[in-house]
Parts: sequence; C-alpha cells; structure tokens
Amino acid sequence: GQNIDQPTEMTATEGAIVQINCTYQTSGFNGLFWYQQHAGEAPTFLSYNVLDGLEEKGRFSSFLSRSKGYSYLLLKELQMKDSASYLCAVRGPGGYQKVTFGTGTKLQVIP
Amino acid sequence: GAVVSQHPSRVICKSGTSVKIECRSLDFQATTMFWYRQFPKQSLMLMATSNEGSKATYEQGVEKDKFLINHASLTLSTLTVTSAHPEDSSFYICSARVPSGGGGTDTQYFGPGTRLTVL
Repeated sequence: GQNIDQPTEMTATEGAIVQINCTYQTSGFNGLFWYQQHAGEAPTFLSYNVLDGLEEKGRFSSFLSRSKGYSYLLLKELQMKDSASYLCAVRGPGGYQKVTFGTGTKLQVIP
Repeated sequence: GAVVSQHPSRVICKSGTSVKIECRSLDFQATTMFWYRQFPKQSLMLMATSNEGSKATYEQGVEKDKFLINHASLTLSTLTVTSAHPEDSSFYICSARVPSGGGGTDTQYFGPGTRLTVL
C-alpha cells in the first residue's frame, strides 16, 4: 500500500516563499506529482519528479529524494491567487500505474 | 497541453435514478483513464481504473455493480452511478494518462469534474 503525509494547512505572506513538504511510504514507486486545486475545481498539474533532485518551472519548483521518501513543492513570489490546496500524489508500480493522492495542503496567502 | 473534458459539469437527480458521466480526451488517445471521487474538504479517492477494451479495475470498497465503467473507445470513458442515493452526492473527477512519447512527461490530466447531487 501507499501512505502519503502532508501538512493540513499553511499560511504565508504575499511575495514570500513557502515550502510544502510531502513524505511517503510505498510498496513501489514510479514518480511523484504535485497538483494545485482551487475550491470546487479539478486539480491542475504542476510538476512531476521521478528522479532525485530539483525541478524548476517558473515560480514553482519541486524536489524529490527517493531514498528518504520525501518531496517538497516550493512556491516563490507568492501571489494571492496561489491560495489553494496542493496535492502530493505518488504513482505506484504495475501496468496501470495507479496514482494515490495525499490529503492535500491548504495554503492561504495573506496580504 | 492535453485536454480532458467531462459532461455534465453538474447534475441533480432523484434518489433511485441512474446518472451517466462522460469523460473524453480531446486531443490524444487514452488507453487508461481513472475515476476519482472527492467529498468536501477531502482529497481525491481513486474509485477505479478504466482500460480501453477491457474491464475496469475497482479499488477496494467500491461496488462495481453500483459504479459501472465503460471504456468503449480510446477517447471516451463513462461512469454510471446506478440507483443513486444521497450518500453518493460528491464531486466525480476523471483523469487520463498521457503517454510520455518523445521524452515528454508521462502524467495524468484531469477533467473539470462533475458535481452530483442526489436528492
């Protein structure tokens, strides 16, 4: 099975940097995703890591350490519109490569 | 990027009726689609994996006779909630796996979701 842990809520200030952590324990690993989800909407893809290291994409970066079962999403120059839930998801092994989601971290950006 | 659509976006039905939700990949072929359910303030829970041309694979605790999945073509999967009850009211979201041909990212893109309310 898979177990994914994220903080439930975080608050950060507009213009600042925030790091959202995710730890996982899985019986098999085939990549880790980060998604953003605004209330009442479907998730939107942010990043995908399958190898160790940092992937940077504009204001968003994602880091993975497979040996530690650890990832983080880094958001820079926070904007009010970044207030949303951020979902960490792990893809498992096997032909279907099922993706299991964590409970999500609700980020509130304040002025 | 890959586009996944869902129809309808919202549906309200009476208890005991059946509701069909469609999930389409608009600009790519998806051999595998996934159906999720999300209750308020909770994360996405995978219900089943839909495979084109074969039976769906259901997660533990999901009734296959209640949630009928049909993946009849490479661009369409349907979820039918049979004999819906108020406890089935939820946000149903499909996703399609996008293959990583040509060095791209093998990832999943989500449809916009369908909000089902059963009275």
